[in-house]
Amino acid sequence: EVQLVESGGGLVLPGESLRLSCSASGFTFTSSWMSWVRQAPGKGLEWVASIKQDGSEKNYVDSVKGRFTISRDNAKNSVYLQMNSLRAEDTAVYYCAKDQRCSYWGQGTRVTVSS
Amino acid sequence: DIVMTQTPLSSPVTLGQPASISCRSSQSLVHSDGNTYLSWLQQRPGQPPRFLIYKISNRFSGVPDRFSGSGAGTDFTLKISRVEGEDVGVYYCMQATQLPFTFGPGTKVEIK
Repeated sequence: EVQLVESGGGLVLPGESLRLSCSASGFTFTSSWMSWVRQAPGKGLEWVASIKQDGSEKNYVDSVKGRFTISRDNAKNSVYLQMNSLRAEDTAVYYCAKDQRCSYWGQGTRVTVSS
Repeated sequence: DIVMTQTPLSSPVTLGQPASISCRSSQSLVHSDGNTYLSWLQQRPGQPPRFLIYKISNRFSGVPDRFSGSGAGTDFTLKISRVEGEDVGVYYCMQATQLPFTFGPGTKVEIK
C-alpha cells in the first residue's frame, strides 16, 4: 500500500523559513518523480514543484522560484521542500504526491505564515 | 501557463442520477510524445485529493466503473453514471502536459 506522510508544517512569521518532509513507502521510491501541491484555505489545488527520480531535474511554479527548493534522499525514501522567505500567500496545506501526475497523496501538513 | 476552466462550478444531483463535469484548457493538451496528460481528481470533504482518471479516460486502480472520462485536445468531460452518496466532494481536472502543471478551479458535487 502506497503511503505518503508529510511533516514539518507550522506557524511562522513572514520572511522565516520552514522545511517540509515527506516519507514514502509501499512503492519503489527511486522509480518515481515526486511532487508537492498546496491548497490555500478554502481554495483549489496549486502544483508547487516536482523532482525527478535521481534529483537531476526540478521544476517549480513561478511564484516560488528562488524561494523554495525541492530535494530528495533516495536512501531514506523521502522528499523535502525547503521554503525560505515565506509570505502570507504561502499559507496552505502542503501535500506530497507520487509522480508528476500526482497519483497518490499524503494527508498534508499545514503551513501558516502570519504575524 | 495553461489555464484550466471547469463548468459547472457547482452541481446539485439526485442520488442515482448521472452527473457530468466539463473541463476546458486554454491550449491543446496533446504532448509531443502523443499522449494527453489530462487527469481528474476527487476531493471528499476533509480529505486529500484522490486520483480518479488519467490520460483522459483511464480509470485508476480501485476507481468504480461509474466514473468515466472522455474528450480530446482542449475539451474534456468527467461523467458519473449514477451518483452515490460517497461521490460528494470537489472534482478537479489537472493537466500535466506542460509546465507549470495546472488544475481547474474545481466543481462541487452535492446531493439535492
